[in-house]
Amino acid sequence: EPEVTQTPSHQVTQMGQEVILRCVPISNHLYFYWYRQILGQKVEFLVSFYNNEISEKSEIFDDQFSVERPDGSNFTLKIRSTKLEDSAMYFCASSYVSGSSYNEQFFGPGTRLTVL
Amino acid sequence: DQQVKQNSPSLSVQEGRISILNCDYTNSMFDYFLWYKKYPAEGPTFLISISSIKDKNEDGRFTVFLNKSAKHLSLHIVPSQPGDSAVYFCAASEGNFGNEKLTFGTGTRLTIIP
Repeated sequence: EPEVTQTPSHQVTQMGQEVILRCVPISNHLYFYWYRQILGQKVEFLVSFYNNEISEKSEIFDDQFSVERPDGSNFTLKIRSTKLEDSAMYFCASSYVSGSSYNEQFFGPGTRLTVL
Repeated sequence: DQQVKQNSPSLSVQEGRISILNCDYTNSMFDYFLWYKKYPAEGPTFLISISSIKDKNEDGRFTVFLNKSAKHLSLHIVPSQPGDSAVYFCAASEGNFGNEKLTFGTGTRLTIIP
């Protein structure tokens, strides 16, 4: 069964460093998303991406964050200068939107980001 | 800003009995509601969904009920099995196609007692 994959599973970085989290969405999916879950809190939407541009972003997704689809398979989230409060589990998701019925989002296993 | 609320952080149910997980929402613009299940060290896995124009959707052991006037939905699992032990998230979207952002609740940890 096709699945969303994410690398690395755990990333440790120093405050102020740049990190890139990588995702490979399901191959025929067209919409891509990043969510995060700070420990003990709810899963929060960060950004959605379609047709090589951001379709929606939350207030969390400020200028420190960027997303990119550098090739036909990868989808990345970059945090330019990490802060302690960026420590969280980051989930990538993808969906295929047919327009005729609801198509749920499939989530990857997550990348745990620890900022020291 | 808690648009989706799951007021029970945990629930324990005997194997074979019914598990009922509850979720309340405040945003009347939500069109679609979903339940996701999450095991440790894995991402959320889609379980079942319901459109706001329906009041019930059933899939095997899982049934979701929606009460729009009360802004309340519930997930029933019958019969409960040990493999159902996980964290269950209620989620909602303002749209019907799946490309809209999901707003999640805080989750309920379900433990099935053998």
